[in-house]
Amino acid sequence: DFVMTQTPLSLPVIVGQPASISCTSSQSLVHSDGVTYLSWLHQRPGQPPRLLIYKVSNRLPGVPDRFSGSGAGADFTLKISRVEAEDVGVYYCMQATQTPLTFGGGTKVEIK
Amino acid sequence: QVQLVQSGGGEVQPGGSLRLSCAASGFTLINSNIHWVRQAPGRGLEWMAIIISGGGEMRYAESVKGRFTMSRDNFKNTLYLQMNSLRSEDTAVYYCAKPGRDRDGTSMGSFDVWGQGTMVTVS
Repeated sequence: DFVMTQTPLSLPVIVGQPASISCTSSQSLVHSDGVTYLSWLHQRPGQPPRLLIYKVSNRLPGVPDRFSGSGAGADFTLKISRVEAEDVGVYYCMQATQTPLTFGGGTKVEIK
Repeated sequence: QVQLVQSGGGEVQPGGSLRLSCAASGFTLINSNIHWVRQAPGRGLEWMAIIISGGGEMRYAESVKGRFTMSRDNFKNTLYLQMNSLRSEDTAVYYCAKPGRDRDGTSMGSFDVWGQGTMVTVS
């Protein structure tokens, strides 16, 4: 199975400041079709996760452009250019290159 | 509006059974892969199973293989997850989720539609 490791575990941020979350896979996430199936999801307490970024860097329509994804191979990053109060919650990376799909352990973003 | 509405769940003793439902609206279930993902209290997300569009091939995580079974009612446009031989470690919120389609029709490789989740407690 692909093991997904996220850092940091917890991320206190100041509103208006940038934030960055890393995700590393135990193996390259490049699929045999040439696509890298790495996505980022955001979850608030009591709610299902919400997709933000798919295929490394594609924002889902409606997701604010302060969210961006980058990376290649086995190393990926989610960046929030200017954190807003509504961005609190837990962020997960997920790989869908191979079954079983696997998730990172999550990064809890909170406002300082 | 594309939606997944879940029902079922509840509390059951170890060794017992439960059936979860995931009703689709706004799209036809048989034309889409659907996944099940669960989340134990205070923990992260765990992928459990997929039923593939069309023929309905199914794959399961090792942790539930042989105990959980999916089925699909095409007339009701509803997916079911039959959970048998439940263990305390199966206690979690269970989500069904639908992979999204990119602008070019290819898979997003992630879930743009989630059910609201349903709690299963084994104790």
